[in-house]
Amino acid sequence: DAGVTQSPTHLIKTRGQQVTLRCSPKSGHDTVSWYQQALGQGPQFIFQYYEEEERQRGNFPDRFSGHQFPNYSSELNVNALLLGDSALYLCASSLSVLYVGELFFGEGSRLTVL
Amino acid sequence: AQSVAQPEDQVNVAEGNPLTVKCTYSVSGNPYLFWYVQYPNRGLQFLLKYITGDNLVKGSYGFEAEFNKSQTSFHLKKPSALVSDSALYFCAVRDGSSGNTGKLIFGQGTTLQVKP
Repeated sequence: DAGVTQSPTHLIKTRGQQVTLRCSPKSGHDTVSWYQQALGQGPQFIFQYYEEEERQRGNFPDRFSGHQFPNYSSELNVNALLLGDSALYLCASSLSVLYVGELFFGEGSRLTVL
Repeated sequence: AQSVAQPEDQVNVAEGNPLTVKCTYSVSGNPYLFWYVQYPNRGLQFLLKYITGDNLVKGSYGFEAEFNKSQTSFHLKKPSALVSDSALYFCAVRDGSSGNTGKLIFGQGTTLQVKP
């Protein structure tokens, strides 16, 4: 049973560029959330997707956007990259948007902005 | 506002001794509480959760945690630490009244160092 998979694992971009990160949820899960973990910090909630719509959003600017596909996979897009966007981006999936239990996390995509 | 505090940046313990990693929380509704572990350059692994019921919950790898509503705490414990337990531990909370099932609020993390 495959867990949450993310790609790419590492990437380097320069300021002003755009990046797309991808996530496939755990088998049987239909809800995906994205988190940003800066160095030495706890993860911070970016947004949640369910039924191909953004359901909840954290305190992140509009430069952060996402998408969910019919197969439940998801993308995170960040435009006009800033140095402060350098972080580990974690994707998490859950059984449903109503499930109050644990999230399952992927290994993350480490983004470095130069 | 929802928040989680992990008052210790690092906890040091000798192998075989009991360990405790502290966590306190603040939510307006009923708390759903979680502990995760993170190894270097890896994602988060789920250890245990409190949703409802018995205040003492048991999880993976011999870890347990006790929910204390009056002290708004959810400390992680293990009776006998292993060197392999050395990692970064995160406490997280979800506010049960908010309907925000996707949003976990995480603490800053506590590094556990178990020495042989």
